[in-house]
Amino acid sequence: DVKVTQSSRYLVKRTGEKVFLECVQDMDHENMFWYRQDPGLGLRLIYFSYDVKMKEKGDIPEGYSVSREKKERFSLILESASTNQTSMYLCASSQQDTEAFFGQGTRLTVV
Amino acid sequence: RKEVEQDPGPFNVPEGATVAFNCTYSNSASQSFFWYRQDCRKEPKLLMSVYSSGNEDGRFTAQLNRASQYISLLIRDSKLSDSATYLCVVNGLFNKFYFGSGTKLNVKP
Repeated sequence: DVKVTQSSRYLVKRTGEKVFLECVQDMDHENMFWYRQDPGLGLRLIYFSYDVKMKEKGDIPEGYSVSREKKERFSLILESASTNQTSMYLCASSQQDTEAFFGQGTRLTVV
Repeated sequence: RKEVEQDPGPFNVPEGATVAFNCTYSNSASQSFFWYRQDCRKEPKLLMSVYSSGNEDGRFTAQLNRASQYISLLIRDSKLSDSATYLCVVNGLFNKFYFGSGTKLNVKP
């Protein structure tokens, strides 16, 4: 059974903290993605990666960075968390031209 | 202009009704198309892929019109368990997935 696992379901962090969100997939997929989902705005792409050590900016990369040192792991980093980064964060992976599989999501609150 | 546009709804329908959702996309070079279902506070899950010839999976039928850049989903004989948000998804350049903001369906007894 395919599996994308995010390290936390819920996180509460303080403004200015550095935050790491981890995502692991066990399907040997080349492509991995980080989205955030907010009411009324849908899913917006933050960053994606199509290979180890490769990364591309999505539509809203400001305030975020990513790391992909191994094929199965894609990390999202909030360099200095701010309250407007309170959101649901969803990781996904896919093979070329096939559907995306999602992790269970991390609900991040920045206070 | 958004890459993918959907009517947000909500669609409130009685059990047994037939309901249709529509979606338009802006990039004519898009290659793959999907409908996802998302339950409240859960991750999106694939409902069905959408093929050029149209495809059916039980009570669900998906259609693609490349000329009009339009995708549809038809649900027949709605069940209470169909209540969810339905996301239209388009796979574009560099295998990036673009999501519509979702259409909320409420099926009432």
